[in-house]
This record gives sequence, structure tokens and C-alpha cells, in this order.
Amino acid sequence: DIQMTQSPSTLSASVGDRVIITCRASQSISRWLAWYQQKPGRAPKLLIYEASRLESGVPSRFSGRGSGTEFTLTISSLQPDDFATYYCQQYNSYNPLTFGGGTKVEI
Amino acid sequence: QVQLQESGPGLVKPSETLSLTCIVTGVSVSSGTYYWTWIRQPPGKGLEYLGNIFYSGSTNDNPSLKSRVTMSVDLSKNQFSLKLSSVTAADTAVYFCARERCSGGACGQLDYWGRGTLVTVSS
Repeated sequence: DIQMTQSPSTLSASVGDRVIITCRASQSISRWLAWYQQKPGRAPKLLIYEASRLESGVPSRFSGRGSGTEFTLTISSLQPDDFATYYCQQYNSYNPLTFGGGTKVEI
Repeated sequence: QVQLQESGPGLVKPSETLSLTCIVTGVSVSSGTYYWTWIRQPPGKGLEYLGNIFYSGSTNDNPSLKSRVTMSVDLSKNQFSLKLSSVTAADTAVYFCARERCSGGACGQLDYWGRGTLVTVSS
């Protein structure tokens, strides 16, 4: 399995802050990485795919970078609606697709 | 509008088989553009990919589940299903179905999800 490691696991921030979440893969996954946002009691929502491509309808304050084994998700100016848990997911290998452990962004 | 909805028992006894169905509206499961996927999330924990199925019936499943997973697709009802055998308390989780699309030469982006259904394994 390809292991995905996110850091930090919890992040305390304020409205307007710039937030960066890191995701590392245990081996190269090229650019085959997605980011999801999940709020309590809800399904995850796709934000970014192919490491840096913004999903339709997602605000432009979200951006992704990286390739190979190191990736970041940046929220340029944190909004009240952004307090949630964020997951990265690799899709370079189907055996199996794997998710990071999550980063909870809290006030 | 694409929608997915999981259905099935919320309580399963240990050693029995968990069975869930995902009803899809707004898109045909027979579309060759998408895979149909199951993911689960134990309470308070992260996401685990269980596997996917293509309209043809071909599947990819998570080896960690040691062949306990069976997936099927019903084109006439526009739905797909999951069976997980020999369940234990460790299988207690919210189970999600999702649409998996392919873009840029790779598949694996989960762009539409059901709301999820909690399945508890307990006697």
C-alpha cells in the first residue's frame, strides 16, 4: 500500500489566516492526488484533483501544489465555512486507493 | 443532478454479512466514464477505500479486507451493491458510496458521494 501522511493532524487558526496542510506519500504518486473537505456528519467534498486542479464550484482561495511525494493544500484566507477536516487521497495505485489521516482545522 | 443514496440495515450481527445498496440518479451506472465506489469511516476516524466496480462488473477491492468484499452492479435498477462477509465490531462504520471519475489519464477522483449510512456490528 502507498501510505499517505498528513501534517499537522490538528491546526488552530483564525478567520483570514493563510493555512497550509502537507501530505506526504510513501512513494512517488506523480500528480495523482486529490484533496477533500469533510464537515461533521457529512460526506467528503472534492476540492482539488491532479494535485493542483480546482474542482468546479470550489472557491479560488483553495489551491494545491506538489508532485512525486510532497503535496500541499493552501487556503489563502480562511473563512468561517472552511473549519472542517481535510483529507488527501492518492490515486496512483488502485491497490488500494489510500487516504491521509486527516487534518482538522479548528478555531 | 447526480445523487447517490445508500440503503441497508443499520445493525448487523457479528459473523454475518453486511449488505448495502447505492441507488444512483442523474447519471447511468452503465456509463463507461465512471467507476462506482465504496468507502467507509469508523466513528471518529479516517476514510478507508473498500473497492470499486465498473459497469461491466469488473472490480478492484482493498486487499486488506482479505476477500470479504463482494460488489455487484444492477444496470436495470441503476444501482450497485456491497456485501462484506464475516463482520466484526471493527467493521462498524459509516459506509459511503461514491462516483469515481477519470481525468487526465487516471481514475480515482471521487466527485459525488452519498450521505453515508451508519452500520453497527453488534449482537
